[in-house]
Amino acid sequence: EAQVTQNPRYLITVTGKKLTVTCSQNMNHEYMSWYRQDPGLGLRQIYYSMNVEVTDKGDVPEGYKVSRKEKRNFPLILESPSPNQTSLYFCASSLPGQGMNGYTFGSGTRLTVV
Amino acid sequence: GQNIDQPTEMTATEGAIVQINCTYQTSGFNGLFWYQQHAGEAPTFLSYNVLDGLEEKGRFSSFLSRSKGYSYLLLKELQMKDSASYLCAVRDHQRGNNRLAFGKGNQVVVIP
Repeated sequence: EAQVTQNPRYLITVTGKKLTVTCSQNMNHEYMSWYRQDPGLGLRQIYYSMNVEVTDKGDVPEGYKVSRKEKRNFPLILESPSPNQTSLYFCASSLPGQGMNGYTFGSGTRLTVV
Repeated sequence: GQNIDQPTEMTATEGAIVQINCTYQTSGFNGLFWYQQHAGEAPTFLSYNVLDGLEEKGRFSSFLSRSKGYSYLLLKELQMKDSASYLCAVRDHQRGNNRLAFGKGNQVVVIP
């Protein structure tokens, strides 16, 4: 089944403790992206990657890092999480330019930083 | 930059028709997507418009007017399972690799 897999689904952590949210897709998509979703603010893009070893900042990149060493994986790294990073996170992938089908989203990771 | 505006919430009766509007301002328009998102779940693709006019897919239709920077999603024969947030997303070829920018979503509540 074609899908984007994120882990973990839920995570509660403490301020300053480094964490990684994994994202993997099995559709051979070149393009991958991370979004956060907050009430009243909608989906905001954190980082995106156009292909292996090519990453760029989205609209809200502060406090996040990403890497793209392999085509299928695009982990999101929070080196020193803070409470304002409590959010619902989505990984998404697509063909270049999204084609006519847009993004395929992962199931989401609900992160709480205390 | 981009500015995407959607009304926040509406309530409709099962079996009815509801129209969800989206207005946008963007310098390099290259397509508009509609997504459905149930609470706490991932958005799922509904429709795509790049040319003016109406695209119909079963109970859902989407319309685009590029000159007005306007789109709507029409949901017919509403069912309880249609209770969800509906997101409008605009693709801009002037934003790295045609990135999508999302509106804040419109919450539709279907009542019996």
